[in-house]
Amino acid sequence: GENVEQHPSTLSVQEGDSAVIKCTYSDSASNYFPWYKQELGKRPQLIIDIRSNVGEKKDQRIAVTLNKTAKHFSLHITETQPEDPAVYFCAAWNSGYSTLTFGKGTMLLVSP
Amino acid sequence: KAGVTQTPRYLIKTRGQQVTLSCSPISGHRSVSWYQQTPGQGLQFLFEYFSETQRNKGNFPGRFSGRQFSNSRSEMNVSTLELGDSALYLCASSYVRGDGKNIQYFGAGTRLSVL
Repeated sequence: GENVEQHPSTLSVQEGDSAVIKCTYSDSASNYFPWYKQELGKRPQLIIDIRSNVGEKKDQRIAVTLNKTAKHFSLHITETQPEDPAVYFCAAWNSGYSTLTFGKGTMLLVSP
Repeated sequence: KAGVTQTPRYLIKTRGQQVTLSCSPISGHRSVSWYQQTPGQGLQFLFEYFSETQRNKGNFPGRFSGRQFSNSRSEMNVSTLELGDSALYLCASSYVRGDGKNIQYFGAGTRLSVL
């Protein structure tokens, strides 16, 4: 089946800096890549996603890039804010297995 | 607009029992998906229902099953509970907007403890 690796497991940045979280997937049949944010004690939120026919997508301070050849995709958060600390999960939808596989998550810490 | 509602919020069962969890999606959302979240395994996809049909399924044993009713409400059932089934079970409802954007909202989850 599909395997999704996510790095780093913990990321500490200073407020105002950028944060980058990287994920790799194993199966070229994966064609949809959502990212989720889960604040401590709260439910996950779908924050951005990208399909395999697109290389980059932006939504305000958040962007996602996809490199199909290398089978990796990344989440970029610019100008980190006090509301950004959370665990971020990447995921890959595999059209062959019709299933969604998650990365293990990245805890983002933002210091003032 | 009411959000995604999951009931019950907490549940304690013993090994060997079965359990049924309920999820009421946002009005108008026809897709409901279920996830298991544990500290060890993280988030795992269980299955997705659309218009009363199971459309996709994750890698879980047959003890995990679900269904969706005509009003889009969904239930998942776990039979012959094992200690490892202790987890937060999340459901999400979703739809694809006219511009192609996927809109998805999660419920607060049902925390199942198996003793």
